[in-house]
Amino acid sequence: KAGVTQTPRYLIKTRGQQVTLSCSPISGHRSVSWYQQTPGQGLQFLFEYFSETQRNKGNFPGRFSGRQFSNSRSEMNVSTLELGDSALYLCASSYRGGARDSGANVLTFGAGSRLTVL
Amino acid sequence: EDQVTQSPEALRLQEGESSSLNCSYTVSGLRGLFWYRQDPGKGPEFLFTLYSAGEEKEKERLKATLTKKESFLHITAPKPEDSATYLCAVKTSYDKVIFGPGTSLSVIP
Repeated sequence: KAGVTQTPRYLIKTRGQQVTLSCSPISGHRSVSWYQQTPGQGLQFLFEYFSETQRNKGNFPGRFSGRQFSNSRSEMNVSTLELGDSALYLCASSYRGGARDSGANVLTFGAGSRLTVL
Repeated sequence: EDQVTQSPEALRLQEGESSSLNCSYTVSGLRGLFWYRQDPGKGPEFLFTLYSAGEEKEKERLKATLTKKESFLHITAPKPEDSATYLCAVKTSYDKVIFGPGTSLSVIP
């Protein structure tokens, strides 16, 4: 069974640019969550998508956005990059029985996309 | 405010020296508590889910326990390959998963 695939694995951008990261979840998982991981802040929740709808959002500025496609693949975009956006961006997929399923579904993470902003 | 803390921040053990990691949480309704292991350059890997106070789960040298306010990850006779960062996470009644800062474990041969 294929795991969660994130692309690209590494990328370098300059301030002011924008970036798009991609995530392919485990087959059958319709929920995709995104996290930002930095040494100082740890894992911070960005947003969660289920059936192409954003279900939850963390406390990040509007420069951070995402979307989910009908095949459950997800992308996140960061516009007008800042130095502080340098981080490991992790995607996780989980099985969710439906929009109202609030069970403790296990998150399966990808290897992450390492973004460096110069 | 929902919060998850972990202690210690870093732990250095000799091979075979057992110890425990702590995860304390203050959240509005607990749906479940998770333990993950993260190796450098990789995403977190799932270890356990605990749902209610008094519950225990075991896997090889690891045992996780849960009380109403905290969870412990006990490591018995650790080996160098157990070196990693251990993350605790809580799913709240608001359907959010909040991670703690992690404990970096080093096991010295």
